[in-house]
Amino acid sequence: AQSVTQLGSHVSVSEGALVLLRCNYSSSVPPYLFWYVQYPNQGLQLLLKYTSAATLVKGINGFEAEFKKSETSFHLTKPSAHMSDAAEYFCAVIPKGGSYIPTFGRGTSLIVHP
Amino acid sequence: DVKVTQSSRYLVKRTGEKVFLECVQDMDHENMFWYRQDPGLGLRLIYFSYDVKMKEKGDIPEGYSVSREKKERFSLILESASTNQTSMYLCASSSRWEGAATGELFFGEGSRLTVL
Repeated sequence: AQSVTQLGSHVSVSEGALVLLRCNYSSSVPPYLFWYVQYPNQGLQLLLKYTSAATLVKGINGFEAEFKKSETSFHLTKPSAHMSDAAEYFCAVIPKGGSYIPTFGRGTSLIVHP
Repeated sequence: DVKVTQSSRYLVKRTGEKVFLECVQDMDHENMFWYRQDPGLGLRLIYFSYDVKMKEKGDIPEGYSVSREKKERFSLILESASTNQTSMYLCASSSRWEGAATGELFFGEGSRLTVL
């Protein structure tokens, strides 16, 4: 079964610092990969997705993620954190060639300090 | 603007009550999902539906049932609410899978249920 691991339930950065949120998947065949963001008291919204085109994917709000097959990873980055980036971030995978049902990681809470 | 609307943002119910959570989407999506979100556990799939009157169990269906009588509406039912069902419930929808073009889920704002 497909699984996805997000390292670190909480990540704390200073405003202006680099943001790095980690996501690893377990699959011999690279799946489709997604990052979602959830702001307080809201539902999730898509940040970006990898669907086997370019390995570096750009998303909304200055975020990007790089697919690395050799590391089975899809880490999310942003060069400079903003206070408004404070939220919960979820990595999700959908296996190719079958189910359209995503499996979500447990989430990483991003805390941004002034 | 595309939308998934959940009928209630906050509910407080008593143990043993029957609870209905309603979800409506305006995107003509075939797939609809109900997730439960708890701190540290992420999103866990309760049920999903890929067509009207069709439903499939997810990872944690016990204690829940669903109904999809119309394409745009997907209801989650707790037949007899218990305190361990206190949680945030998220509804989502997506287009039928067609290669790389879809797969994105559109979420409602969530329904926070407290069972006393």
